Amino acid sequence: GAGVSQSPSNKVTEKGKDVELRCDPISGHTALYWYRQSLGQGLEFLIYFQGNSAPDKSGLPSDRFSAERTGGSVSTLTIQRTQQEDSAVYLCASSLTIEQYFGPGTRLTVT
Amino acid sequence: SQQGEEDPQALSIQEGENATMNCSYKTSINNLQWYRQNSGRGLVHLILIRSNEREKHSGRLRVTLDTSKKSSSLLITASRAADTASYFCAISSGSARQLTFGSGTQLTVLP
Repeated sequence: GAGVSQSPSNKVTEKGKDVELRCDPISGHTALYWYRQSLGQGLEFLIYFQGNSAPDKSGLPSDRFSAERTGGSVSTLTIQRTQQEDSAVYLCASSLTIEQYFGPGTRLTVT
Repeated sequence: SQQGEEDPQALSIQEGENATMNCSYKTSINNLQWYRQNSGRGLVHLILIRSNEREKHSGRLRVTLDTSKKSSSLLITASRAADTASYFCAISSGSARQLTFGSGTQLTVLP
């Protein structure tokens, strides 16, 4: 079946602009995660959605970052007033149990 | 920090040799997972070992876990050029569902 998809695959934006990154999880997966990976580094947790529960936002680095998950499916990660340090690959994952299935990521470059 | 620390950071071997990567962590865990990442994009789940397990096998992969030393190792036997990738350990601990990732080992298998 279809895996996790993310769009766009690449995004170049100017400092100060807002960006929206989209994640389509595997159908039926109740949990959805956003991670960020800076060049040559491991993944940094950002936010986690589980069913209809309030999301765990403990990993969001600043209030410029927000995310929503509509209808328990598609999720959008929004970064307002982007900064150069926001440049990274943003990865989305979904899961039904323990194992997480990752999308291909969105490479964000802030110039 | 709960982050896993991996060593070596980079490993280069000849095809057919075995590759061993290590992961150390700082807190008690529910489980430890290993992921592979090609070309800095999506991650692929390889194997999960629970805190009450000491060894798991999957094909050419062997994972060990020593909770007293807070460490795990991933062994890839009879390596192939296609095994070239970054390998990450990821920890699940406490009630959190999100994973805490190590910084990864870059494995290069030379043909």
